[in-house]
This record gives sequence, C-alpha cells and structure tokens, in this order.
Amino acid sequence: TQLLEQSPQFLSIQEGENLTVYCNSSSVFSSLQWYRQEPGEGPVLLVTVVTGGEVKKLKRLTFQFGDARKDSSLHITAAQPGDTGLYLCAGGSQGNLIFGKGTKLSVKP
Amino acid sequence: DSGVTQTPKHLITATGQRVTLRCSPRSGDLSVYWYQQSLDQGLQFLIQYYNGEERAKGNILERFSAQQFPDLHSELNLSSLELGDSALYFCASSDTPGGGTAGELFFGEGSRLTVL
Repeated sequence: TQLLEQSPQFLSIQEGENLTVYCNSSSVFSSLQWYRQEPGEGPVLLVTVVTGGEVKKLKRLTFQFGDARKDSSLHITAAQPGDTGLYLCAGGSQGNLIFGKGTKLSVKP
Repeated sequence: DSGVTQTPKHLITATGQRVTLRCSPRSGDLSVYWYQQSLDQGLQFLIQYYNGEERAKGNILERFSAQQFPDLHSELNLSSLELGDSALYFCASSDTPGGGTAGELFFGEGSRLTVL
C-alpha cells in the first residue's frame, strides 16, 4: 500500500514568516500534486510536478519534487492570513491519486 | 466554482439506513472519483468511473456501491450505515481516464453525512 506522510500535521505561524511543509513516501510516484482545501470546500489544485528534481514557483509558493520522485516540499515565503488552509499532497499511481492526511496551516495577522 | 455539483450538502440519518449521494461532473469530464474524508483517515479514495465503466477501486466497503450513468452523473450508495461512516464524501471529476497520471481533479463541495 502506497502511503504519503505529511509533516507537520499542524502549523501555526505569524503573518510574514516563512514555512516549509513536507510530503514523504517510500514509494515512487509518476507525479505529485499539491492541493489546498478551505473549510466547507473541496480541495483545489495548486501545482503538479512530474519530473524528479523539478521546482515550480507560484507567486510566494515554491514546490519541489525529490530527485527519486518519492518526496516533495512546499515552501511559502512571507505567509499571509489568506494562506490559511489544509495543504494536501497527492501522488499519482495507476491512474489514482493517493492523498496524504495534510498539513493544517494557520497564519495569524 | 469547480463545476462539480454534489447533492445533498448535508445529510443526517440513523444507523442501519441507506443513503444516496449524487454528483454531476464538470461539463466534458468523463472520469468521476469518489473520496471519503474523515478527521483521522484523511482523504481516502473509494472508487473511480470513466465513461460509465468502473476504472479503479480503492478502500470501498462492500456496503457501499456506486455507478455512473449515461449522462455521466454518478451516485454513491451507502447502506447499513454505521456511526463510523459519518464523514465528508467528495466527488471529483477529470478529463483523463487515469493510467500513468490522474490529471487535475476538480472537487465538488462535498456531502457531509452524519449517522446518529
């Protein structure tokens, strides 16, 4: 069974701080996605990475896929209250997406 | 708005009962996925349909079943409900059949099921 472990589980920071959340697995994934979920809503895709070592930037968010395609990280620079939410990584395997349990981020003004 | 519609948004029922959750995918999407989200288990993949055919199965209980109709909407049937079935049930759609990569999934707002 493929598992994706995310850390930390919870993160509470002040506006303006930087943070990194991690997504790790012992399995290799053909692709990895990051989603953000806000209360009362479904997850929304932020980014997809498919190549080992790939780095993608989305404004203040930087996503990295590990060289071995087993892990990924999400770095947020100068976090804002609007970044608050549940960040989920999801690994693509055999046509399905396996989700991690997520990192719940709270950014206080 | 993701374009995926789920009904009902909230449902309260008793143990032993049966409920049906409905999902209309984004226009043009042939794949429909069902996920269960609970606090302790996270987002668990249940089942996927592509153009009316079952494509992949995850951790779906035998008490649960699903189907995708010719108009591409899908229903998830949950029977003999137990307290532990209380969760958020999400439907997602995509324009890919699966295979090597799942593509982007567009999620509905979910159906919150409470079993008393």
